[in-house]
Amino acid sequence: DTGVSQDPRHKITKRGQNVTFRCDPISEHNRLYWYRQTLGQGPEFLTYFQNEAQLEKSRLLSDRFSAERPKGSFSTLEIQRTEQGDSAMYLCASMRRGLDPPSYNEQFFGPGTRLTVL
Amino acid sequence: AQSVTQPDIHITVSEGASLELRCNYSYGATPYLFWYVQSPGQGLQLLLKYFSGDTLVQGIKGFEAEFKRSQSSFNLRKPSVHWSDAAEYFCAVGDNGNKLVFGAGTILRVKS
Repeated sequence: DTGVSQDPRHKITKRGQNVTFRCDPISEHNRLYWYRQTLGQGPEFLTYFQNEAQLEKSRLLSDRFSAERPKGSFSTLEIQRTEQGDSAMYLCASMRRGLDPPSYNEQFFGPGTRLTVL
Repeated sequence: AQSVTQPDIHITVSEGASLELRCNYSYGATPYLFWYVQSPGQGLQLLLKYFSGDTLVQGIKGFEAEFKRSQSSFNLRKPSVHWSDAAEYFCAVGDNGNKLVFGAGTILRVKS
């Protein structure tokens, strides 16, 4: 168990550029979540996957944002035409969701990718 | 919709003193409640969680929290704070295995 990893840890980009972040969850965790955290706020939910299926997207996730988890393992989050308001910490978490209710397992968070849009 | 309120943005306590961080939630059904801690440059670490049963839950690092349904609260406590506890603390409510909704966080400063 090596934990959730995210790459890159920091990204500085110019407004209008596209960026892509990667998240590698804990192996065999079937759920993967993306959150965004801005300064002085708690994380806000963006989207989550069960295996390769994207099950829910927040209204925060505009059309410029897209997330994938093609083989049910790692995930990517792409932001097109970045805006200064996209500057934030992007957090990934994974969880092993059990089959028998009630089951609510812990979400394990990665260190995050800090995005700065100039 | 779920929401979480952490009324205190900053709290400063002396090392060795007791600590209580407040959390109020809004949720229609039985809540799944969590406390996470975030240190600078680190990811979120789970301190403790409540799903059902005993309303006083024990967590890691000597923390505990008490669920009070009548007050919609889930306050975090520690009897004696250590300098290494300085960090930001987040309360969160979960909707049965899906997304977490976090409060805005409380920054804890520890005076020596």
